[in-house]
Amino acid sequence: EAGVAQSPRYKIIEKRQSVAFWCNPISGHATLYWYQQILGQGPKLLIQFQNNGVVDDSQLPKDRFSAERLKGVDSTLKIQPAKLEDSAVYLCASTNRAAFTDTQYFGPGTRLTVL
Amino acid sequence: LAKTTQPISMDSYEGQEVNITCSHNNIATNDYITWYQQFPSQGPRFIIQGYKTKVTNEVASLFIPADRKSSTLSLPRVSLSDTAVYYCLVGTSGNTPLVFGKGTRLSVIA
Repeated sequence: EAGVAQSPRYKIIEKRQSVAFWCNPISGHATLYWYQQILGQGPKLLIQFQNNGVVDDSQLPKDRFSAERLKGVDSTLKIQPAKLEDSAVYLCASTNRAAFTDTQYFGPGTRLTVL
Repeated sequence: LAKTTQPISMDSYEGQEVNITCSHNNIATNDYITWYQQFPSQGPRFIIQGYKTKVTNEVASLFIPADRKSSTLSLPRVSLSDTAVYYCLVGTSGNTPLVFGKGTRLSVIA
């Protein structure tokens, strides 16, 4: 079975620019998560989708971050405009159930560097 | 949300058994304990999950005492490839998100 796909793997931008990340979850997985992982820290949940609806976006900085999951499959996370502190790895994960105790399958992540 | 406390880092020689203990004093009745492993430049990977007593799979064992206020991940006979960060998470089913701490950085030495 194919894993969670993410692109690009690396991105370097200057502050105040915009950037978008793409995630394709495992086929059939209804739940999709975006995490932000700053160097030396554990992943922090940004947003959770159940199919194409948002379940939890309480930690998403909505003034600059946005995410969508069209048709309940692929998802895009956007940052506009980027700040220096947004430099991190952005991880996408999926699971086939809504329960948080169910195994989350993570993609390889996108490493963002904001200069 | 139940908070977890783990050692920041541990070192071990190849072939040894490694035990990583996680404290979760305010664990709720419905909470499960889940461990993930993360290699550099990769996303976390599920290792094992348990509710009480002992759980074993092909990768590790998880020991949970009766009071469930702590748990121990046991990795038998580690190899260099087990060098990674190990995260202990506590949570329940539903919409409450699992919270990753800083994890335990395990370094296996030849």
